[in-house]
Amino acid sequence: EVQLLESGGVLVQPGGSLRLSCAASGFTFSNYAMSWVRQAPGKGLEWVSAISGSDGRAYYADSVKGRFTISRDNSKNTLYLQMNSLRAEDTAVYYCAKGGGTYPRNYFDYWGQGTLVTVSS
Amino acid sequence: ETVLTQSPATLSLSPGERATLSCRASQSVSSYLAWYQQRPGQAPRLLIYDASNRATGIPARFSGSGSGTDFALTISSLEPEDFAVYYCQQRANWPLTFGGGTKVEIK
Repeated sequence: EVQLLESGGVLVQPGGSLRLSCAASGFTFSNYAMSWVRQAPGKGLEWVSAISGSDGRAYYADSVKGRFTISRDNSKNTLYLQMNSLRAEDTAVYYCAKGGGTYPRNYFDYWGQGTLVTVSS
Repeated sequence: ETVLTQSPATLSLSPGERATLSCRASQSVSSYLAWYQQRPGQAPRLLIYDASNRATGIPARFSGSGSGTDFALTISSLEPEDFAVYYCQQRANWPLTFGGGTKVEIK
């Protein structure tokens, strides 16, 4: 059974930093691209970042480029999102999502339950 | 950026009725379109990928159609658990984008 468990979401001040983690199990982690998708309170879904399964190539939405960094540790079956220079508009539930294949430009066949990041003073 | 426009924003129907949801892309996405269901307080769930392929475990009452710029998700006969928000998503172009969602509510 595929499981994705996010952690790390907290209340942080504007300009602060945070690292989210996603522990994966139930599939061969290194074979699949992974993404972060967020959802602001009462709003729709927004893709944030993706990383390929093998070579670690990363892709970002313009709204987070230069502030967020996605990474993965295939030995630990874990996905990360380093979030710097946080803004109020980054407030959202952040979902970890498994790609449908190794290439990151993909659909998302499994999702975690999400972790809430609140950026406020 | 490929903009996905979903319509209607809200669909009010009764259990047993047929639901047809639309997703229109600002440029061709070929068949690289997926549909997700999100119930309140839950994570999204993949229903359809590559326009017309049902994901694992998805009931046959869900079907997808379309290509290029115009797509549809049809629920042939609404069950109580189908009242939720539905999103489309394209994987043809960077950045990956989602539509704004269609809420299917009980009439």
